[in-house]
Amino acid sequence: EAGVAQSPRYKIIEKRQSVAFWCNPISGHATLYWYQQILGQGPKLLIQFQNNGVVDDSQLPKDRFSAERLKGVDSTLKIQPAKLEDSAVYLCASSSFRTEGSGANVLTFGAGSRLTVL
Amino acid sequence: SQQGEEDPQALSIQEGENATMNCSYKTSINNLQWYRQNSGRGLVHLILIRSNEREKHSGRLRVTLDTSKKSSSLLITASRAADTASYFCATAVVANAGKSTFGDGTTLTVKP
Repeated sequence: EAGVAQSPRYKIIEKRQSVAFWCNPISGHATLYWYQQILGQGPKLLIQFQNNGVVDDSQLPKDRFSAERLKGVDSTLKIQPAKLEDSAVYLCASSSFRTEGSGANVLTFGAGSRLTVL
Repeated sequence: SQQGEEDPQALSIQEGENATMNCSYKTSINNLQWYRQNSGRGLVHLILIRSNEREKHSGRLRVTLDTSKKSSSLLITASRAADTASYFCATAVVANAGKSTFGDGTTLTVKP
């Protein structure tokens, strides 16, 4: 089966500019996640979707970050305006997990989008 | 806030030796998972252990879970140079079993 696709792989922007990342999860996976991974740290969850609804966005900096999954498949994560501390790898993952209790929360990750903010 | 914390932060061993890394967590969990990340790549799922399980095996991997101590260990036997990577534990709490919270990982270097 095809994996989780992400683009772009690399992006360099100036601070206060905007950037958008795109993710296409594994077909049929209900749950989609965006994680931020700063160099030397573990991934930190930004947002969790089930289909096109938000399950958890408690750690998403909503003043500058936004994410959507309009048709319950692809997702976009946007940062506007970017700050220096947003330099990180943005990982998208998907799983068959559903909050109703079916599916396992085994995550399949994409290769990530590396953002450098200058 | 971090739910899981791995120990040690870094581990260097010779090929053929066993590698053990540990994970401690703070609150009751639904399950605990281990993932591997090669440099510059995404994470790859290795193994999942549920809160009512004590030990699981997968090939050269052995995972134990002690819920009374809120800790888990990952043992890689007969290590190979290709096992060089960062290893992360991820915990999912009962309230949201779909939300995996990661620690900062153990960096394993296996010298040929």
